[in-house]
Amino acid sequence: GAGVSQSPRYKVAKRGQDVALRCDPISGHVSLFWYQQALGQGPEFLTYFQNEAQLDKSGLPSDRFFAERPEGSVSTLKIQRTQQEDSAVYLCASSPAPQGNYGYTFGSGTRLTVV
Amino acid sequence: KNEVEQSPQNLTAQEGEFITINCSYSVGISALHWLQQHPGGGIVSLFMLSSGKKKHGRLIATINIQEKHSSLHITASHPRDSAVYICAGYFGNEKLTFGTGTRLTIIP
Repeated sequence: GAGVSQSPRYKVAKRGQDVALRCDPISGHVSLFWYQQALGQGPEFLTYFQNEAQLDKSGLPSDRFFAERPEGSVSTLKIQRTQQEDSAVYLCASSPAPQGNYGYTFGSGTRLTVV
Repeated sequence: KNEVEQSPQNLTAQEGEFITINCSYSVGISALHWLQQHPGGGIVSLFMLSSGKKKHGRLIATINIQEKHSSLHITASHPRDSAVYICAGYFGNEKLTFGTGTRLTIIP
């Protein structure tokens, strides 16, 4: 596609519910990133894929967070047993090359609200 | 530790004013990004630079490697420039480290 597409745009979940957030990167982009942005803060790194390989998941805040990119294109971020502190905007970005100095394209984000 | 700091956190100005947003960072940066985020929207990449200066329309970004400092300037500011501006550093480990952003409001 022309850009990075994320769905849903908005998600309201009851505490304890599982959610799945989807990212469709630009076709052919090797690198894919997930970031979490709390209200009034800058985005914080969650995880990074190079093709289908998850090379860095050091930013995932707990074992309730899981990400996958099984075919090296679409990625899903799953949050199990959601908590109120999970409420944030989840941003996906992709880049054409392994090294980030080729620039990034960001999606519009998914705003998750846990009630 | 890779760190990126921005100032000011909030900036309100009258239409037409010259705007400057500052960003400082820790050592080892490979590239610095300036990004724009509108309310409820995603992030748009404005500039990526590793040295010197870049210009696009009314936007100018500069970086001083020795001082570990970058600035984003907006000339002849307009209400549609109102957004959050974020600088982010690429320290060579694939991911970006973001500043907390500057919320810019331009009053007509």
